[in-house]
Amino acid sequence: DAGVIQSPRHEVTEMGQEVTLRCKPISGHDYLFWYRQTMMRGLELLIYFNNNVPIDDSGMPEDRFSAKMPNASFSTLKIQPSEPRDSAVYFCASSDWAFSGNTIYFGEGSWLTVV
Amino acid sequence: AQKVTQAQTEISVVEKEDVTLDCVYETRDTTYYLFWYKQPPSGELVFLIRRNSFDEQNEISGRYSWNFQKSTSSFNFTITASQVVDSAVYFCALSEPQGAQKLVFGQGTRLTINP
Repeated sequence: DAGVIQSPRHEVTEMGQEVTLRCKPISGHDYLFWYRQTMMRGLELLIYFNNNVPIDDSGMPEDRFSAKMPNASFSTLKIQPSEPRDSAVYFCASSDWAFSGNTIYFGEGSWLTVV
Repeated sequence: AQKVTQAQTEISVVEKEDVTLDCVYETRDTTYYLFWYKQPPSGELVFLIRRNSFDEQNEISGRYSWNFQKSTSSFNFTITASQVVDSAVYFCALSEPQGAQKLVFGQGTRLTINP
């Protein structure tokens, strides 16, 4: 079975540019999460969706960040404009409460560098 | 508020030694889930185990074992006869009991197994 699929795996962009990270959750999972990992703050939740609806975006750092989930198999995290402090690993994750009882499965991460 | 503490920032042992990674958590909930994830040098987050708060049985999976003690709010992870491939950062995490499934991560323990 395919796991959570993220793209791109690596992105280097210049400050001020728009960055779009993409995620395909595990088929059948009804929760989707975006986490960010940095040396300073560790792993932190940015936003999560349930059945394509954003439930909690309190972790989104500021208005430059936005996330969408237009359907059950696709989500995007967008940063516009990007800044050097956005450099981090962004993980997408998904879970199915009914089946896997709260186990969250992560993608391989998108490594973002803003120069 | 929920909190996870992994007091050991880095551990280095020689191959075949046993090693225990400590995890202490704080929560006011009576129902919760605990997790361990592995992050190898390649960067992905790999799910290892999930434990709910009502199940205090220790678990063993091959060379891995977990000791859950509610009395001390600890969920420690032991690797027996460590191998170089066990080298990774290991994260302990705690989730909310209902619906949200948000994970609160510890800061991680970097484990290095030397040949």
